[in-house]
Amino acid sequence: DIQMTQSPSTLSASVGDRVTITCRASQSISSWLAWYHQKPGKAPKLLIYKASSLGSGVPSRFSGSGSGTEFTLTISSLQPDDFATYYCQQYKTYSRTFGQGTQVEI
Amino acid sequence: ELQLVESGGGLVQPGGSLRLSCTASGFRFSNYDMNWVRQAPGRGLEWVAYITTSGSDIYYADSVKGRFTISRDNAKNSLYLQMNSLRAEDTAFYYCARDFGVDPSAFDIWGQGTMVTVSS
Repeated sequence: DIQMTQSPSTLSASVGDRVTITCRASQSISSWLAWYHQKPGKAPKLLIYKASSLGSGVPSRFSGSGSGTEFTLTISSLQPDDFATYYCQQYKTYSRTFGQGTQVEI
Repeated sequence: ELQLVESGGGLVQPGGSLRLSCTASGFRFSNYDMNWVRQAPGRGLEWVAYITTSGSDIYYADSVKGRFTISRDNAKNSLYLQMNSLRAEDTAFYYCARDFGVDPSAFDIWGQGTMVTVSS
């Protein structure tokens, strides 16, 4: 299986900060990468697909980049609603795998 | 409104069985590949199983292969997960999730989840 590794595991930030999360794949996945965020007690929500395409209804402060094995999710100006856990996911293979998560906290 | 609603979770003893259901509404269920994803308490997300629109192709995570069976009934807009030989490590919230597009894809619609607890 393709392993996905996120960094950092925890990120402390303030409202208005620019935040970047990194995801690394154990082998090339081209651009077959998605980003989700999840709030406590809620289901994950799709933010980014195909590495850089914005999901439906997702604010433009979210952006994704990268290809191959290195990817980043950037939040240009952190809002109160953005404090959550973020996951990357590869979908190059049917055996989809997720990163371990990055908790964005105050 | 696009919606997935899971049901069937509960408390089961080790070695027991449980069948989860996921009912879709607001979209043409038969046009989409579907998945089950689980999340143990305080842990990350783990993909469990995938089924194509017709049910002709199915894939499982190694951790559940041979014990879990994914199926669907397009006439009932429903997805199922039959879970046998349950273990303590299967304790988790179980989500159904819709594949966004063709072939392996991201998951654009998720249910609210149903909790499965395996304990004596």
